[in-house]
Amino acid sequence: EIVLTQSPDFQSVTPKEKVTITCRASQSIGRSLHWYQQKPDQSPKLLIKYASQSISGVPSRFSGSGSGTDFTLTISSLEAEDAAAYYCHQSSSLPWTFGQGTKVEIK
Amino acid sequence: EVQLVESGGGLVQPGGSLRLSCAAAGFTFRSYWMSWVRQAPGKGLEWVANIKEDGSEKYYVDSVKGRFTISRDNAENSLYLQMNSLRADDTAVYYCARESGSGAFDIWGQGTMVTVSS
Repeated sequence: EIVLTQSPDFQSVTPKEKVTITCRASQSIGRSLHWYQQKPDQSPKLLIKYASQSISGVPSRFSGSGSGTDFTLTISSLEAEDAAAYYCHQSSSLPWTFGQGTKVEIK
Repeated sequence: EVQLVESGGGLVQPGGSLRLSCAAAGFTFRSYWMSWVRQAPGKGLEWVANIKEDGSEKYYVDSVKGRFTISRDNAENSLYLQMNSLRADDTAVYYCARESGSGAFDIWGQGTMVTVSS
C-alpha cells in the first residue's frame, strides 16, 4: 500500500498570504496524484488532478506541482473562503490512498 | 445536473448489516468506474471499494474484504454497497464518488452516515 504523508497537519494563515502544502508518497507514483478541498460539513471537492492539471471552476489561485514522490499544492493568495481541510490522493496503485489531511485556518 | 445521491445509512448493531445505495444522474453512469469512500467522525478520507464500468472488476481495502460487497445496476444508474458483519470502526460518513479517467474523484455525493453501536 502506498502511504501519503502530508505536511503540515495544520496551518493558521493570514488572508492574502501564500499557502504551501506538501504530500510525499512512500514510493514513486508518477503524476497520479490529486488534491481535494473539504469544507466543514461538505463533501470533498476536486481541486487539481494529475499533480498539476487545473479543474474547471476552481479559482486560479490553486495550483499543483510535483512528480514521483514529492508533490505540492499552492494557494497563491489565501482568501477567507479557503478555510478547509485539504487532502492528497493517489491513483497509481490499488488500494487508492489519501494523505491524512491538512487543515488551513484563517487568522 | 450531474449528481450522486446516497441513501441507506443509519444506526445498526455490531455484527449487523446495511445496504447503501447511490443514485446517479446527469451523466452516462455505465461509462465510469465508481467508488465508495468513507470518513470516520473527525477523521480523514479512506477509500473503501471500487467497481469497473460493467461490474466485471471489483476491488476493496483490506479492512472490508469478505464483509463488504460493491455492486452496480447500470440500467437503474445505481451503485450499491452491501455491508455485513459491521464493526464499531465502520462508523463513518460513506460517500459515493465517480472516478474520472485520471483516477481522480471528480463527482461526490453528499454522503450517508452509518453508525455501528449497541
